[in-house]
Amino acid sequence: QVQLVQSGSELKKPGASVKVSCKASGYTFNSHAMNWVRQAPGQGLEWMGWINTYTGNPTYVQGFTGRFVFSLDTSVSTAYLQISSLKAEDTAVYYCARSGGNGYYRNWFDPWGQGTLVTVSS
Amino acid sequence: QSVLTQPPSASGTPGQRVTISCSGSSSSIGGNTVNWYQRLPGTAPKLLIYSNNQRPSGVPDRFSGSKSGTSASLAISGLQSEDEADYYCAAWDDSLNGWVFGGGTKLTVL
Repeated sequence: QVQLVQSGSELKKPGASVKVSCKASGYTFNSHAMNWVRQAPGQGLEWMGWINTYTGNPTYVQGFTGRFVFSLDTSVSTAYLQISSLKAEDTAVYYCARSGGNGYYRNWFDPWGQGTLVTVSS
Repeated sequence: QSVLTQPPSASGTPGQRVTISCSGSSSSIGGNTVNWYQRLPGTAPKLLIYSNNQRPSGVPDRFSGSKSGTSASLAISGLQSEDEADYYCAAWDDSLNGWVFGGGTKLTVL
């Protein structure tokens, strides 16, 4: 079945970097866009942007430019989210989510990864 | 503050019918389809309804979605204890050129 499995929780100090992985299985990886969604403590879901898994071209939402990088390793069907110069306000659960249907980035999200908690604290 | 507006909480007793509203604008719900996600405690969000009223395979027909103008609704009939979860609506926003979500509605089964 279609599945996204993310890497485990991370505890980082301010200023450090973190790389979250999202391994896909059960479908052709480069046929569906991959999205990243953040949920900070006590907050709602926030779409960070998406990456074209065929071309590798990322698109970032305002507020997630500069320190956030989406990347791929298509040889292992894995998408990555790297966050550099971490700040306390980056503490959140980060989800990857596949675009459903024919994989167009404006389709619904299905499925979602289980989420990765990134905690930034000194 | 979320772009789409949902009530923060809803409740019902087993067997009842509950509806959750989602209000947006002409650039979001008014011009695009709405999707609903269910997040059971301690789990990732799961697609519940897509394209306003379509159920993915495996989702019980107790769940239904509708849209009118700039608002959408999720209805759950025959409420069950396992329906206790957070529910989120989402739509593409043409003005923001991105996905927007509601703040989520916590459903309690009394």
